[in-house]
Amino acid sequence: AQTVTQSQPEMSVQEAETVTLSCTYDTSESDYYLFWYKQPPSRQMILVIRQEAYKQQNATENRFSVNFQKAAKSFSLKISDSQLGDAAMYFCAYRTYNNAGNMLTFGGGTRLMVKP
Amino acid sequence: NAGVMQNPRHLVRRRGQEARLRCSPMKGHSHVYWYRQLPEEGLKFMVYLQKENIIDESGMPKERFSAEFPKEGPSILRIQQVVRGDSAAYFCASSRLAGEAYNEQFFGPGTRLTVL
Repeated sequence: AQTVTQSQPEMSVQEAETVTLSCTYDTSESDYYLFWYKQPPSRQMILVIRQEAYKQQNATENRFSVNFQKAAKSFSLKISDSQLGDAAMYFCAYRTYNNAGNMLTFGGGTRLMVKP
Repeated sequence: NAGVMQNPRHLVRRRGQEARLRCSPMKGHSHVYWYRQLPEEGLKFMVYLQKENIIDESGMPKERFSAEFPKEGPSILRIQQVVRGDSAAYFCASSRLAGEAYNEQFFGPGTRLTVL
């Protein structure tokens, strides 16, 4: 079974600065997807960014980028120019590549605080 | 196109009562997933359904919990004889037909169940 670990329960960043959230995972599969979700106080789950394991290029979405290290099974999220609206819980998630197993496996989350 | 709808948003039950949580997937989506989020934890997969079929219920507790996704109407997660440990946020997600390499799951706003 796959597992996802987020070792930072809480992180803090100054507004306009850069912060990196860590995620490691364990799998025996070679093809899979990785995701970062944001959960603000409203508790709505919002997809921030996704990465296909077969792609060597790191995914980027505006101020959000990932550092995907497949051999190390590491998938960190970098938030540049942090904004107050970035304050939320962030969850790393894994999904297998084949269509039969569509469930997401989530890490325990990192609470990000943004200081003005 | 309306998003994934869940109701009720908040549900309070006394121990021993039944809880029924409803999920209407996005238009055109025929796959539904249920996840549970205990306080201060990540989401945990419970069950994956297609219309009239349970595909994977490996995350469902063996007793008291059941799920269905009928041909017509919303998906229902049913918890019989609730206990305090069932208090959690229950999220529903939906995705499009299988056969695509990537099926993004769109999340509903969740139902917060409180058992007194």
